[in-house]
Amino acid sequence: DIQMTQSPSSLSASVGDRVTITCRASQDIGNRLAWFQQKSGKAPKSLISAASSLRSGVPSRFSGSGSGTDFTLTISSLQPEDFATYYCQQYSDHQWTFGQGTKVEVK
Amino acid sequence: QLQLQQSGPGLVKPSETLSLTCTVSGASTSPQYWGWIRQPPGAGLEWIGSIFHTGGTVYYNPSLKSRVTLSVDTSKSQFSLRLSSVTATDTAVYYCARHGVSGYFLLPPDFWGQGILVTVSS
Repeated sequence: DIQMTQSPSSLSASVGDRVTITCRASQDIGNRLAWFQQKSGKAPKSLISAASSLRSGVPSRFSGSGSGTDFTLTISSLQPEDFATYYCQQYSDHQWTFGQGTKVEVK
Repeated sequence: QLQLQQSGPGLVKPSETLSLTCTVSGASTSPQYWGWIRQPPGAGLEWIGSIFHTGGTVYYNPSLKSRVTLSVDTSKSQFSLRLSSVTATDTAVYYCARHGVSGYFLLPPDFWGQGILVTVSS
């Protein structure tokens, strides 16, 4: 199966900071990568699919990039409601796998 | 607007079968899949499996395949998960979800149920 590795596992940031999270796939997945945001006690929320397509209603400060094996989620200016855990997910084959998550905490 | 409402017991004994149901409202008739994903306490997300919305085609996580059964009851607008021979390592929040399909690819989930914490303990 395809392994997904996120980095860092956690980071501390302040409101207004630019935040970057990376996700690496163990093999080429094209652009078949999604990003999710999860707040404590809640179901994950879809942010991005196809590596860079923002879901309807997701603020434009979120962006995704990459293809093949290396991907990035960027929050251009961190807002108070963005403190959460973020997961990447590959859907290149019929065996979905997720990254281990990146927790964005208050600095 | 699509809504997924989960139901089922929050406590299951070791070696027994975990059974959860997701009731769907507001779904379209377009081709789509119903999936199950779980999250152990303090850990990440693990996909369990997905079933076509009218039944038939099913995909399972190979690590769970021998213990998992997914089914759909279109007359009740429900789909279900059964996980047999559970152990403490199956303790998790279980989510149902909807996801689309595009050709060969199962698209990522776009609607999620509220999640149910299932604890495996005697």
